[in-house]
Amino acid sequence: DQQVKQNSPSLSVQEGRISILNCDYTNSMFDYFLWYKKYPAEGPTFLISISSIKDKNEDGRFTVFLNKSAKHLSLHIVPSQPGDSAVYFCAASGFMAGSARQLTFGSGTQLTVLP
Amino acid sequence: NAGVMQNPRHLVRRRGQEARLRCSPMKGHSHVYWYRQLPEEGLKFMVYLQKENIIDESGMPKERFSAEFPKEGPSILRIQQVVRGDSAAYFCASSPFWDNRNYYGYTFGSGTRLTVV
Repeated sequence: DQQVKQNSPSLSVQEGRISILNCDYTNSMFDYFLWYKKYPAEGPTFLISISSIKDKNEDGRFTVFLNKSAKHLSLHIVPSQPGDSAVYFCAASGFMAGSARQLTFGSGTQLTVLP
Repeated sequence: NAGVMQNPRHLVRRRGQEARLRCSPMKGHSHVYWYRQLPEEGLKFMVYLQKENIIDESGMPKERFSAEFPKEGPSILRIQQVVRGDSAAYFCASSPFWDNRNYYGYTFGSGTRLTVV
């Protein structure tokens, strides 16, 4: 049972245009959502997060939108740059056992920004 | 302040051998998580540990896999009698105690790429 879904395995965008990556979740207990970026042969690195009490969070070129009623979030990158080419993972967090949280990841979307 | 350190970066094992993967969390982080990424797939949760305790191992295969996080030293993910299907990238992540004010998720290591031949 996939609780976090990224239905697009790949996305190609022209440099300078907007990249929109989508993510859906099923578990209404999730209350934090994150995006990670991963280059080949490296570990994922944190990009941006959003709490379920917000519907938008912005950090420079990156904006995450959350639609709780639709259980949907998206990551917008504008303008897209060739260095943004990577795999982007959506992750969702909720309180599990213990005092820290667990992250449930989507399957990732390979973004390619064409020069 | 070093990040999450995993070693080795690459590990080759023959079928039936044991694989030991090590992870040293970031300084000040008391929670360790192991994830596995199979080829062409996303990150799958395996196990969550605190010092000397396994908190959640619901993602661990029932046989041949074990994990520990001793009082002293790194966390170890052990795979006994490896098979070809164990070939994957294994990522360790760490986090501090949960802070409601600012949440950055986990800090990941660079991973160990296990190849079973």
